[in-house]
Amino acid sequence: KNQVEQSPQSLIILEGKNCTLQCNYTVSPFSNLRWYKQDTGRGPVSLTIMTFSENTKSNGRYTATLDADTKQSSLHITASQLSDSASYICVVSAGSQGNLIFGKGTKLSVKP
Amino acid sequence: DAGVIQSPRHEVTEMGQEVTLRCKPISGHNSLFWYRQTMMRGLELLIYFNNNVPIDDSGMPEDRFSAKMPNASFSTLKIQPSEPRDSAVYFCASSFRQEQETQYFGPGTRLLVL
Repeated sequence: KNQVEQSPQSLIILEGKNCTLQCNYTVSPFSNLRWYKQDTGRGPVSLTIMTFSENTKSNGRYTATLDADTKQSSLHITASQLSDSASYICVVSAGSQGNLIFGKGTKLSVKP
Repeated sequence: DAGVIQSPRHEVTEMGQEVTLRCKPISGHNSLFWYRQTMMRGLELLIYFNNNVPIDDSGMPEDRFSAKMPNASFSTLKIQPSEPRDSAVYFCASSFRQEQETQYFGPGTRLLVL
C-alpha cells in the first residue's frame, strides 16, 4: 500500500535554531517527492520538488534531501524564523499528476 | 497573476442542502485539482482534470459529490445533499500538465455542515 509517514507529528523550537523534519515513504512507482509549507488558514505552498536522481535541493533556508534507496527524505530548516511556524507536508508522486500520496504533516512552532 | 481563486472562502449550511464550491485556476494552467483537508485524514485528492477533462475521480467519496470544468478558467465542486461529515477545507490547485510541475493551491473554502 502506498504510504507517506512523517515525523515528528509536531515540533517546538526556539527562533534561530535549526531543525530537521523526516519523511518515509513506501510508494511505487516513484516519480518525485515534494515538500509543501502550509500556513494556518492558507493553502499549501511548494518548497521543493525532487526526482529520483536528485539527492538534495535547496530553497533559501530550506534544504531537502532524498535517499531513494532507503525511501527517506528530510527537510532541514536553518536559522529558523517566527514565520517558519507552519505545517510541512511531504508528498510523493506515484507516476502521474493525480496520483499524489500525502503525509499528515509536521506542525512546527517557532518561539521567540 | 492573482493565483488560484476560490469562492466562497467560508460556507455554513445545514445538512441536506446543496453546496457549490467554485475555482478559477491560474491562467495558462491546464491541470486542475480538487482536494479535501481534515484534521483526521490530512489532504486527500478528490478529482483532477487535464484540459477540462476529468482524468481521475477515484477520490470522490460518493455519488453525492460531483465536479465539472466547463472551460479552462472555471470549475465547480458540488455536494448534494451535504452531510456533517463533509465538513472540511476544500482546496483547488492548478498546474501545467507536465509531471514535474508545481501545483499552486488556492486559499481554500472552509465548509461547515450543521
